Amino acid sequence: DVVMTQSPLSLPVTLGQPASISCRSSQSLVDSDGNTYLSWFQQRPGQSPRRLIYKVSNRDSGVPDRFSGSGSGTDFTLKISRVEAEDVGVYYCMQDTHWPYTFGQGTKLEIK
Amino acid sequence: DVQLVESGGGLVKPGGSLRLSCAASGFTFSNAWMSWVRQAPGKGLEWVGLIRTDGGTTDYAAPVKGRFAISRDDSRNTLYLQMNSLTTEDAAVYYCSTGALGTWGQGTMVTVSS
Repeated sequence: DVVMTQSPLSLPVTLGQPASISCRSSQSLVDSDGNTYLSWFQQRPGQSPRRLIYKVSNRDSGVPDRFSGSGSGTDFTLKISRVEAEDVGVYYCMQDTHWPYTFGQGTKLEIK
Repeated sequence: DVQLVESGGGLVKPGGSLRLSCAASGFTFSNAWMSWVRQAPGKGLEWVGLIRTDGGTTDYAAPVKGRFAISRDDSRNTLYLQMNSLTTEDAAVYYCSTGALGTWGQGTMVTVSS
């Protein structure tokens, strides 16, 4: 199985400051069709997960543009340009290039 | 609006069975791959399995293969998860989701305990 490793696992951030989460995969996530199926999810306390980013850098509808995704191959990053209070929660990366699809361990973002 | 509503969770004894349902609305269900994802209490997310369109071929994660079965009824816009031989390791909130996890339901809790 593809192992997804996130860092850091805990991320205290001051309101208005940027935040960055890294996700590394144990093998390349480039599919045979040329696409890279790497997504990012946000799970606020007590809520269902919500997809923020798909195929590395595509924002889902309604996701604020302060969220951005980048990366290639095995190395990916989620950036929040200016953290707001509503961004508190756990963030997961996930690959759906190789079966079984796998998630990272999660990064807990909190406000300092 | 796209909506997914899970039901069927509850308390079951080890070795027992349970069937979860997921009612879909707001999109063409018959055209959508669908997935089940679970989250044990205080833990991360784990993909359980998925079902495709056109004949409904399925894939499962290793921990549930041979015990769980995903099916769909396109006439009822409903997704199912049949869970057999349940163990305490299967206790979790179970979410249904559209194929690439673009939309999630609210989840249904499964507790496995004697």
